[in-house]
Amino acid sequence: NAGVTQTPKFQVLKTGQSMTLQCAQDMNHNSMYWYRQDPGMGLRLIYYSASEGTTDKGEVPNGYNVSRLNKREFSLRLESAAPSQTSVYFCASSQPGQGAREQYFGPGTRLTVT
Amino acid sequence: AQKITQTQPGMFVQEKEAVTLDCTYDTSDQSYGLFWYKQPSSGEMIFLIYQGSYDEQNATEGRYSLNFQKARKSANLVISASQLGDSAMYFCAMREGLRGSNYKLTFGKGTLLTVNP
Repeated sequence: NAGVTQTPKFQVLKTGQSMTLQCAQDMNHNSMYWYRQDPGMGLRLIYYSASEGTTDKGEVPNGYNVSRLNKREFSLRLESAAPSQTSVYFCASSQPGQGAREQYFGPGTRLTVT
Repeated sequence: AQKITQTQPGMFVQEKEAVTLDCTYDTSDQSYGLFWYKQPSSGEMIFLIYQGSYDEQNATEGRYSLNFQKARKSANLVISASQLGDSAMYFCAMREGLRGSNYKLTFGKGTLLTVNP
């Protein structure tokens, strides 16, 4: 049981290049999320998918697109990377319902844009 | 206004002592949930404890307890008997709304805890 997996772990891009960050979960969760973490800023939500077939913008969506490929997979795409997108990216998943429904996080992808 | 405020960028504690990490929140919802996560230097996010807005008792999980003061909108994390392995960044987070499929979390900026031997 791997939980939430992310690929790649590290990536260096040049300004203007594109790439896709992959995320998969094996917990049969309905909801999935992408966050970015910058120094001193905590985690900020980029996009989320409440259920398969739906996606919505979070707090900082500009410069990103997402695809909920199926229930397991949720990818984040940078079409034209910018230095301001240098960050650590976390994918998370959760199961909606009442009570403590914590989000389970992947290990993160450290992205540097030069 | 920030939804989650952690006013302590850094805290120091002696091993085996207790420490309180502060968190205040801002919401107009009656139903919400509060979470604490730990992020060690290795980078992963580890869930520690949860408190629902309707829970009458403070949440406890082993050495972690959440001091929930609803009227003051505070949800402080108390770590008892600190260990060297508790040195990490700690994030407070809030989920607004308890029902439905939207479970977005809003995070504070974190508190870096250092446990001294």
